[in-house]
Amino acid sequence: RKEVEQDPGPFNVPEGATVAFNCTYSNSASQSFFWYRQDCRKEPKLLMSVYSSGNEDGRFTAQLNRASQYISLLIRDSKLSDSATYLCVVNFGRKSSGDKLTFGTGTRLAVRP
Amino acid sequence: DADVTQTPRNRITKTGKRIMLECSQTKGHDRMYWYRQDPGLGLQLIYYSFDVKDINKGEISDGYSVSRQAQAKFSLSLESAIPNQTALYFCATSDRRTSGGGADTQYFGPGTRLTVL
Repeated sequence: RKEVEQDPGPFNVPEGATVAFNCTYSNSASQSFFWYRQDCRKEPKLLMSVYSSGNEDGRFTAQLNRASQYISLLIRDSKLSDSATYLCVVNFGRKSSGDKLTFGTGTRLAVRP
Repeated sequence: DADVTQTPRNRITKTGKRIMLECSQTKGHDRMYWYRQDPGLGLQLIYYSFDVKDINKGEISDGYSVSRQAQAKFSLSLESAIPNQTALYFCATSDRRTSGGGADTQYFGPGTRLTVL
């Protein structure tokens, strides 16, 4: 079983749609969680961290369910510019040994006019 | 100017050649990382360094070596390149001072596309 699993997609949605991505992770001792965005042939960039209480940044909402080892990202009112691959990222590291991130393979989103 | 730079951006080489990929950062971060990305696979950690004197192997270090010449520079070498090392390579940095509680935001360079024939 992969340490971080995501549906690869692609998700093809019209502008204005709401779309949700899911991610599961295998290590229950995981420390912290993130969503990164990666445009085609570009470097990954942090989209948002994911907190236990859930958090929102504009049209983006991230949720964490530690009991189910599940992370989600909701995008409302999709824009053409949201088209990208979204990477679920988990920190399995401990402070004593340093922080190391494990990346999912990504979910591709294509927003059409 | 970009905070994390990588050179070269693209490289085509032949099997058996020695290749060095370079990474420089102006963010003042102490931690640096090398990843490779293959289609259909997540980013895989090759090596990481938490300061100039601290080098650690990642998940897939075989066939690679690194050098942390200064806080701002971290180089990745392929001693004898082979075709299955064809991939997109990313350097990343993070700052220990913002890593409290285990959180670790990493900032990536633009990547080096390496093809080994």
